[in-house]
Amino acid sequence: GAVVSQHPSWVICKSGTSVKIECRSLDFQATTMFWYRQFPKQSLMLMATSNEGSKATYEQGVEKDKFLINHASLTLSTLTVTSAHPEDSSFYICSARRVGYQETQYFGPGTRLLVL
Amino acid sequence: EDQVTQSPEALRLQEGESSSLNCSYTVSGLRGLFWYRQDPGKGPEFLFTLYSAGEEKEKERLKATLTKKESFLHITAPKPEDSATYLCAVQARGSGSARQLTFGSGTQLTVLP
Repeated sequence: GAVVSQHPSWVICKSGTSVKIECRSLDFQATTMFWYRQFPKQSLMLMATSNEGSKATYEQGVEKDKFLINHASLTLSTLTVTSAHPEDSSFYICSARRVGYQETQYFGPGTRLLVL
Repeated sequence: EDQVTQSPEALRLQEGESSSLNCSYTVSGLRGLFWYRQDPGKGPEFLFTLYSAGEEKEKERLKATLTKKESFLHITAPKPEDSATYLCAVQARGSGSARQLTFGSGTQLTVLP
C-alpha cells in the first residue's frame, strides 16, 4: 500500500511553454500533498504544500505564479510550470501524506524536466 | 529554525562490513524523525518513523535508533543492493496541520562486492 505515482516521468520542452505534472495517490486518500525540487547531488527542497480544496502554501522564494498548484481531489495534485525556462530544469518530486497512518509522507517516483 | 545534519556525506563499505549513518537534528519539539532511501533518478522510499528517544525500528539489515539529539541508521552486513542515498528528515511540533518535513543532505552509501 501507500503508492504514489507521477506523470510524466520525464519531459523535454521548449523555453516559454508550460508543463503540467500530475501526482496521484493510488491506494489512499491524501488531504495534503507536497511538491519538492531536487538538484543533482542535493537534498529535497520543499516548494509548496497542497491542500485538497484550498490554495497551496508556497515556501519563501518560490513564485506562485510560476509554479501553479491545484489539488482538486483527495488523490490528485498537479504542478504546472508556466512559461518554463532552462533554469526550471530540475527533478520534481511530489509526496502525499497518508492521514491517520503515522503522518508519514510517501513519495512519487519524480519527474525529470528539461527545458531547452 | 529546524536543522538536520547528516554524516558522513559519503560512505564506501565492503560487502558485509557493518556501519552506522548519523543524523543530528535541532528542532523545536520533535513530532517525528523519518528515514528514507533514495536511488538515483527516483523518489525517496520510506523506511522508518521514530517518535521518541529510545525508540528503535528494524527492517532486514537496517536498524534505526533515536536519542534526543540524533538518530542512527545501523546497517548490518550490507549488500551491494543497499547502495543508495539515505535521507533523514524531521517533523516539528510547530509544523502545523501540514506537517512539513525538513530534510538533511543525505549520506550516499556505496557497498562494494
